[in-house]
Amino acid sequence: GAGVSQTPSNKVTEKGKYVELRCDPISGHTALYWYRQSLGQGPEFLIYFQGTGAADDSGLPNDRFFAVRPEGSVSTLKIQRTERGDSAVYLCASSFSGGSSYEQYFGPGTRLTVT
Amino acid sequence: AQTVTQSQPEMSVQEAETVTLSCTYDTSESDYYLFWYKQPPSRQMILVIRQEAYKQQNATENRFSVNFQKAAKSFSLKISDSQLGDAAMYFCARYGGATNKLIFGTGTLLAVQP
Repeated sequence: GAGVSQTPSNKVTEKGKYVELRCDPISGHTALYWYRQSLGQGPEFLIYFQGTGAADDSGLPNDRFFAVRPEGSVSTLKIQRTERGDSAVYLCASSFSGGSSYEQYFGPGTRLTVT
Repeated sequence: AQTVTQSQPEMSVQEAETVTLSCTYDTSESDYYLFWYKQPPSRQMILVIRQEAYKQQNATENRFSVNFQKAAKSFSLKISDSQLGDAAMYFCARYGGATNKLIFGTGTLLAVQP
């Protein structure tokens, strides 16, 4: 079956612009995670959805970052007033449930470059 | 602090040889899960192997095995009979908190020499 997909694959934007990054999880997966991977680092947690609600947004760096999952499937990560420091690969993962026995499946990520 | 430490930024191994990647972690929990992920240049994170902390037996998946030392909070990955396709970035990770977000180390870049 289809895996986690993310669009766009690459995004170049100017400093100060608004961007949206999309994640399509595996069908039937109720848990969805966003991570950010800066160059030379491991991914860092941003936000976790269980169904439509953000169950844990403790990783969002500031109020310029926001994410939604209105129908419990597709999720959009939104970044306002982008800064050069936001440049990174943004990874999405989904899981059948948020339970610890379930594997998180990752998408290929969106590489965001802020110029 | 909930940290995962990988002290080897880069490793190299000859094809068909064995290599071990190191990982240590910090946790106050008694039951938790540990993982090794592979990330090739395509950026796709691929789960290599997982270990439940309550299991004393080390996990094994074909050519991949772990040495889990719970008291020492050590979780190393052994790759046997290395293949060219094993070349990638390898990340050690553990679940953190009630929402099971993954906490990753900084990674080890593995090169496989023909």
